[in-house]
Amino acid sequence: GAGVSQSPSNKVTEKGKDVELRCDPISGHTALYWYRQSLGQGLEFLIYFQGNSAPDKSGLPSDRFSAERTGGSVSTLTIQRTQQEDSAVYLCASSLDRVGNSPLHFGNGTRLTVT
Amino acid sequence: GNSVTQMEGPVTLSEEAFLTINCTYTATGYPSLFWYVQYPGEGLQLLLKATKADDKGSNKGFEATYRKETTSFHLEKGSVQVSDSAVYFCALRAVNTGFQKLVFGTGTRLLVSP
Repeated sequence: GAGVSQSPSNKVTEKGKDVELRCDPISGHTALYWYRQSLGQGLEFLIYFQGNSAPDKSGLPSDRFSAERTGGSVSTLTIQRTQQEDSAVYLCASSLDRVGNSPLHFGNGTRLTVT
Repeated sequence: GNSVTQMEGPVTLSEEAFLTINCTYTATGYPSLFWYVQYPGEGLQLLLKATKADDKGSNKGFEATYRKETTSFHLEKGSVQVSDSAVYFCALRAVNTGFQKLVFGTGTRLLVSP
């Protein structure tokens, strides 16, 4: 079946512009995650959605970052007034449910470059 | 808080060598433990997992045993291949704390030469 789909795969933007990154999770997966992968920094948790519960936003690095998940499916990560330090690969993942041993399925990511 | 510590890379091996990538963790509660792999140009994918103490996860010749007494989940493979060259991430997910996010280590790059 289809995996997690992210778009665009690459995005180059000028400093100060806003960007939107999209994630289509696997159908039926109730949990959705955003992570950021920076060179030499590993994977940094950003935000987690589970069903209709309030999202866990504890990883968002600043108030320029926000995310929403509409209809319990598609999610959009928005970065306002982008800065050069926002350059990274943004990864989306989904999992079947909130059970701890349910694995995450990752998309191929969006590579964001802020010039 | 929950955290994962991995050995720094790159790990450089010749084909058919024995591989160990160390991983230790700190967690409240009883976490599930995972190894994810990222091949060049591809997305992260689950390699193996273990959900309770003394469980052994295995896949594609890789193994890791959940050691609660040493809070470790070291990844091993008896004979690596060039195709195993990738970045390997150890991760944990706490089960009984309501804290559902997957916490990753910084990743270890493995380079296998013919």
